[in-house]
Amino acid sequence: KAGVTQTPRYLIKTRGQQVTLSCSPISGHRSVSWYQQTPGQGLQFLFEYFSETQRNKGNFPGRFSGRQFSNSRSEMNVSTLELGDSALYLCASSLGLAGLSNTQYFGPGTRLTVL
Amino acid sequence: AQKITQTQPGMFVQEKEAVTLDCTYDTSDQSYGLFWYKQPSSGEMIFLIYQGSYDEQNATEGRYSLNFQKARKSANLVISASQLGDSAMYFCAMREMYSSASKIIFGSGTRLSIRP
Repeated sequence: KAGVTQTPRYLIKTRGQQVTLSCSPISGHRSVSWYQQTPGQGLQFLFEYFSETQRNKGNFPGRFSGRQFSNSRSEMNVSTLELGDSALYLCASSLGLAGLSNTQYFGPGTRLTVL
Repeated sequence: AQKITQTQPGMFVQEKEAVTLDCTYDTSDQSYGLFWYKQPSSGEMIFLIYQGSYDEQNATEGRYSLNFQKARKSANLVISASQLGDSAMYFCAMREMYSSASKIIFGSGTRLSIRP
């Protein structure tokens, strides 16, 4: 079974631009979560989607948004990029939302650099 | 509010020795799950082991075991017979099962370095 895939793997943008990151979950998984990882702040939760509905949102400004499609694929968008948005963005999928099915499997991440 | 604490920022261990990575958590929920992940320098997070709050036995997966002490709210990861490939960041995580605002939260991580 294929794992979680994220595209692109690397991205360089300039301040003020916007970016869209894509995540394809493991087949059969209906939940997708997004995280931002930086050396200073560690792993921070962005949002979680289940069956196309946003279930949870972390403490990030409205510039960060996401969505999930009917095939469970998810996209994350960051508008008006700032230098501080440079980070590794990790996507994780899980089968469901309870017990062991809650186990999140991560993709390789997208490394975003904002210049 | 739920919280995960990993108090060891870094550890050095000799190859083939056992190592324990500490994790304490705080939650008011009775139903929750605890997870450990490994993140090598490549960046990908690898799931290692899961423990449910109602599981009576400690979880084990190969060389990994979870020392679950519910009363003390600790969920330490034990790696037996460490190998050079175990060098990585290790994250403890928790999710409350039935809270409407539940999400997985991660600790700050422990960087484990295995010496040959």
